[in-house]
Amino acid sequence: EDQVTQSPEALRLQEGESSSLNCSYTVSGLRGLFWYRQDPGKGPEFLFTLYSAGEEKEKERLKATLTKKESFLHITAPKPEDSATYLCAVQAPASGTYKYIFGTGTRLKVLA
Amino acid sequence: NAGVTQTPKFQVLKTGQSMTLQCAQDMNHEYMSWYRQDPGMGLRLIHYSVGAGITDQGEVPNGYNVSRSTTEDFPLRLLSAAPSQTSVYFCASSPSGDSAQHFGDGTRLSIL
Repeated sequence: EDQVTQSPEALRLQEGESSSLNCSYTVSGLRGLFWYRQDPGKGPEFLFTLYSAGEEKEKERLKATLTKKESFLHITAPKPEDSATYLCAVQAPASGTYKYIFGTGTRLKVLA
Repeated sequence: NAGVTQTPKFQVLKTGQSMTLQCAQDMNHEYMSWYRQDPGMGLRLIHYSVGAGITDQGEVPNGYNVSRSTTEDFPLRLLSAAPSQTSVYFCASSPSGDSAQHFGDGTRLSIL
C-alpha cells in the first residue's frame, strides 16, 4: 500500500536555527512529490514539486531535496513567519491516476 | 484573481440534514478535487474530476456526491449528514491531474 510518513510531527526552533523536515514514502512508481505550506485556518499553499531522485528546488530560506525513499525540506536561518504546518504529498500510478497521498504534516514553530 | 473560492466558511448541521458545499475556480483548471482534513489523518481525497461531466471516487467517497456541469464549479453534496462527517473540507484545482494543486480556504463543518 502506498504510504507517506512525515517527521517530526512538531518542531520548535529558535529564529536562525536551521533544521530539516522529513517525508518518507513507499510507493510504486513515483510520479511526483509535492511540498505545501499550511497556515492556521487556511488551505495548503504550493511550495515545490520534485520528480526524480537527486532533484533539488529552492525558494528563499527553503530547499527541497528528493531521494528514492524520502524527501527533505531544509529550512535555513528560519524566521517567525516561517511558522506553519508543512505537508508532503506524492502521486503514484498504483494509487490511481490523478490521486495524491498526503502525509499528516510537520507543525513548525519558529520563536523570535 | 480569486483562485479557488469555497462557501460557506463555517456550517453547523444536525444529523440527517443534507447540504451542498460550494467550490468555484476562475483559473480555467480542468482538474478539481475535494478533500477532508481531520486531526492526525492528513488530507484524504473524497472525489475528483478531470473535466466537466467526468467525476470519480477518491479514498473516502461514502456519504458524498459530486457533479461537474461546468469547468468552474464542483459542488460537494452531503446526502444525510452524520457526526463522522464533522471535518474541514478543502476544494482544490489544477491545470492537469499531475500538476500542483491550488486550494481554497476550506469549509469547517460540524454535525451535531
